[in-house]
Amino acid sequence: AAGVIQSPRHLIKEKRETATLKCYPIPRHDTVYWYQQGPGQDPQFLISFYEKMQSDKGSIPDRFSAQQFSDYHSELNMSSLELGDSALYFCASSPQFGRGETQYFGPGTRLLVL
Amino acid sequence: GNSVTQMEGPVTLSEEAFLTINCTYTATGYPSLFWYVQYPGEGLQLLLKATKADDKGSNKGFEATYRKETTSFHLEKGSVQVSDSAVYFCALRGSNYKLTFGKGTLLTVNP
Repeated sequence: AAGVIQSPRHLIKEKRETATLKCYPIPRHDTVYWYQQGPGQDPQFLISFYEKMQSDKGSIPDRFSAQQFSDYHSELNMSSLELGDSALYFCASSPQFGRGETQYFGPGTRLLVL
Repeated sequence: GNSVTQMEGPVTLSEEAFLTINCTYTATGYPSLFWYVQYPGEGLQLLLKATKADDKGSNKGFEATYRKETTSFHLEKGSVQVSDSAVYFCALRGSNYKLTFGKGTLLTVNP
């Protein structure tokens, strides 16, 4: 079965650079979520989109922005990168914007900021 | 706000031992509850879920029952295998749809 695709899988950036992470949800899933997992930490919710509109916002820095496109893929744009942004970034998708719907996670993008 | 408190590890067991990882939650309304598993170097995989009180989620020999009266969703397995070694996250999804995770429990199973 098709899964959530994230690219790139690994990314190394310098401080103050920018990064763009991409997420391709499972076909026919219209809701996308972004999470950040620091080393040894639990995943923290960043932002979500339903039908190309932002649906919820968590602890996402102002330096970060995201959007969902007409084909439902999503991009997380990160500017003025800081050392503390080094983390594993997960995208998840679900088939409907509903309380009981399972979120399926991608393999993650591991970002290292030097 | 919503929160999940999970038994902290690490937990080390011998193969075929019984596993329990405790999870309790605080939430308004009626959340859905999940257990996710993360193998080394990999992403999060859904292990099981329960969407209402008294539901039992089960998968691959793992079970958890949604107990509203004790606000708990403890994970159990009768006989663990070396291949079960991973980090286990308890999570809830409330009315705002985002997942709130516990801190994770590292399980190591020795042969």
